[in-house]
Amino acid sequence: SQTIHQWPATLVQPVGSPLSLECTVEGTSNPNLYWYRQAAGRGLQLLFYSVGIGQISSEVPQNLSASRPQDRQFILSSKKLLLSDSGFYLCAWSVLGGQGFFYEQYFGPGTRLTVT
Amino acid sequence: GNSVTQMEGPVTLSEEAFLTINCTYTATGYPSLFWYVQYPGEGLQLLLKATKADDKGSNKGFEATYRKETTSFHLEKGSVQVSDSAVYFCALGESNDYKLSFGAGTTVTVRA
Repeated sequence: SQTIHQWPATLVQPVGSPLSLECTVEGTSNPNLYWYRQAAGRGLQLLFYSVGIGQISSEVPQNLSASRPQDRQFILSSKKLLLSDSGFYLCAWSVLGGQGFFYEQYFGPGTRLTVT
Repeated sequence: GNSVTQMEGPVTLSEEAFLTINCTYTATGYPSLFWYVQYPGEGLQLLLKATKADDKGSNKGFEATYRKETTSFHLEKGSVQVSDSAVYFCALGESNDYKLSFGAGTTVTVRA
């Protein structure tokens, strides 16, 4: 069966510090991968998605970046964190679908980031 | 573009009450529809799905029917438990896209 991991589970970082969040998926190959952010009491905002190694699409211009160095690894980074980067970061994966069908996404446990 | 509208919460119910969360959507094609549940401090879990009109998704006592004529996918449960307290998200995905469109989420609290 497939499993998705995220780490760290919680993180407290000062403003201006760098960030690296990691997500890995087990039990599947060539998945679509996604990064979402959920601000406190708010809905989900898609940040990045990837359909293959080295292929990253950005949904929202900001000081965050994403990379996919391996098939089942997705990394979210920042060079300098802002207070507004605080939130709950969720990684998700889905099967690479074909035409005429949309496959559901499966989410990881999330990383709670607090920027102080 | 695609969009999902959910009834606003929070919703507070007593145990064994009937729950309905309304969800309507706008889509350009023939989307698949999903309900996700998020328990406090956790990621989202897929609760149920429907991929074509008149499909009924069901899981853990929850049900939702894909109504193309009313562009709706309302979530229902006949008798809620305290353990059903969570945030529920309605979502839509189209076959020519990689992304899910989410509703804003509805917070449900069930009291014993």
